[in-house]
Amino acid sequence: ILNVEQSPQSLHVQEGDSTNFTCSFPSSNFYALHWYRWETAKSPEALFVMTLNGDEKKKGRISATLNTKEGYSYLYIKGSQPEDSATYLCASDSGNTPLVFGKGTRLSVIA
Amino acid sequence: DAGVTQSPTHLIKTRGQQVTLRCSPKSGHDTVSWYQQALGQGPQFIFQYYEEEERQRGNFPDRFSGHQFPNYSSELNVNALLLGDSALYLCASSSGWQETQYFGPGTRLLVL
Repeated sequence: ILNVEQSPQSLHVQEGDSTNFTCSFPSSNFYALHWYRWETAKSPEALFVMTLNGDEKKKGRISATLNTKEGYSYLYIKGSQPEDSATYLCASDSGNTPLVFGKGTRLSVIA
Repeated sequence: DAGVTQSPTHLIKTRGQQVTLRCSPKSGHDTVSWYQQALGQGPQFIFQYYEEEERQRGNFPDRFSGHQFPNYSSELNVNALLLGDSALYLCASSSGWQETQYFGPGTRLLVL
């Protein structure tokens, strides 16, 4: 994988459903993987910075896992709420080069 | 504590014109990065400033230039605007070039 790829591109879920999406990134020269949440008309907000293989981070109902050997990270949202509606961006960080972003996953939570 | 601020929020220009976008970093941050997000794409890195110097540059033509001031605020200048320069321009600041970046809300530029 040469680029950062996110799937799915968009997602519609019902309030209360749990959901997850994927970020795939180059596994060579890995330093860190960043997740951002971006609500419409607001600034992207940093969610997690993940560095270690097998790392799992949690913030409220949102958690993320990291596999640096195969180059992927999953973001999970448990019991989705309408306020979780946003675009979720991931970015690959090689340490001494600029962040490389995926195109994002647009999540819509329907009440 | 104000986060990263950008001005203006929206801007309309015509082809061939020049534009200057401004960014004030989060308090305590000394590094500013600029990104371009075209429709349907993820943010693309333009360049990064640290200690008033351009530290890194992405794959953007020389029409894109920048500046960082002693108070760490920054400007992005684009000359000879093309229709393809229409995008959301994001500024991000950090307390070092390897630290977490905090983003502003962006400036939406439309080139007609």
